[in-house]
Amino acid sequence: NAGVTQTPKFQVLKTGQSMTLQCAQDMNHEYMSWYRQDPGMGLRLIHYSVGAGITDQGEVPNGYNVSRSTTEDFPLRLLSAAPSQTSVYFCASSYRGPDRAGYGYTFGSGTRLTVV
Amino acid sequence: TQLLEQSPQFLSIQEGENLTVYCNSSSVFSSLQWYRQEPGEGPVLLVTVVTGGEVKKLKRLTFQFGDARKDSSLHITAAQPGDTGLYLCAGGSNYKLTFGKGTLLTVNP
Repeated sequence: NAGVTQTPKFQVLKTGQSMTLQCAQDMNHEYMSWYRQDPGMGLRLIHYSVGAGITDQGEVPNGYNVSRSTTEDFPLRLLSAAPSQTSVYFCASSYRGPDRAGYGYTFGSGTRLTVV
Repeated sequence: TQLLEQSPQFLSIQEGENLTVYCNSSSVFSSLQWYRQEPGEGPVLLVTVVTGGEVKKLKRLTFQFGDARKDSSLHITAAQPGDTGLYLCAGGSNYKLTFGKGTLLTVNP
């Protein structure tokens, strides 16, 4: 099993450009989420999904859009890139545990995005 | 907003030493998780603790969840250079997590 696959691994964008970060999982996990990691800030939740067709905002959703048409895929769209979106982006998947704790949290290896 | 404070932020020790990393919050969490992250990679889940007072062991790593479920600790016995990395605690639910800022551990040979 590949786990969680993110593409691309590196990307440079110009301010105002749009792009989609891809995320796919092959573990049949019902939950998927996107985080960004910035120096001194830790990982912060951007958007998450509890199943196909259902998404919701996290802590820092502005400037990002998501959709989930299948269980496997959860792309993250940058609508109009800004330098403040320079970051490392991680996609994660998980499944429901018996005691409301998240189980099987698996992260992709990340996309390093630079906006100039 | 639930916050998690990790300490220390940086830790540099010699091979063979013991260490403890702390994760504290003013909020109650239904579960806490610990991750280890290496440069250029995503976080890798080490353990999930769900019961107040719970202790879990993973080889030389011992994880404890506070009785009030507001804090957790990670203790490493006889650290090795391979333990070097960023250790993150996270709390939350099935589908979303709040992360601490991490403890960057360096184990020198």
